[in-house]
Amino acid sequence: DTAVSQTPKYLVTQMGNDKSIKCEQNLGHDTMYWYKQDSKKFLKIMFSYNNKELIINETVPNRFSPKSPDKAHLNLHINSLELGDSAVYFCASSRGLAGGTYNEQFFGPGTRLTVL
Amino acid sequence: KQEVTQIPAALSVPEGENLVLNCSFTDSAIYNLQWFRQDPGKGLTSLLLIQSSQREQTSGRLNASLDKSSGRSTLYIAASQPGDSATYLCASGGQLTFGSGTQLTVLP
Repeated sequence: DTAVSQTPKYLVTQMGNDKSIKCEQNLGHDTMYWYKQDSKKFLKIMFSYNNKELIINETVPNRFSPKSPDKAHLNLHINSLELGDSAVYFCASSRGLAGGTYNEQFFGPGTRLTVL
Repeated sequence: KQEVTQIPAALSVPEGENLVLNCSFTDSAIYNLQWFRQDPGKGLTSLLLIQSSQREQTSGRLNASLDKSSGRSTLYIAASQPGDSATYLCASGGQLTFGSGTQLTVLP
């Protein structure tokens, strides 16, 4: 069984388009995250949600809007895509709040976004 | 703001060697430190999590230590195998701050 899953695995789109990436976890975790891995392989947190509430929002353009319909899902919607958005986006989850005791994070397989 | 550094950026060893990967962080008031491996084109696999109150964790051939006073963590891999070849990432803090990783190649 896949613990943290993401769809699609690959996403190729034109500049200016709007796209979404879906994430689901079947671990029963309360906290979910989105990370961006750039071309230099550097990973940086974008958002964190706990029980459908936004906890962390790093300096991310407001073209990026996370949506959490329930605890098991955290989707990432991106408006007006730009060339610089090309990266691998990872979803992750943890049982407790980031910084708490049960905060070992488990990652999805990633979505490679290419903006042309 | 937390900064995490991993040295070396790349490491190549012959099969069977024991090796140590290094991770340093600037803010000693960390909640925990987590080690991951990432295979090419894949996601991150959690290897070990060390809580801030702990000094080390072990899983199989892997042993991770944490020294908050010096701002360092090490990942020890015993009897390395070609299947250990991957990029190893350490991350610290409540919201994980990642190092840039060490790319390990174990030669048969």
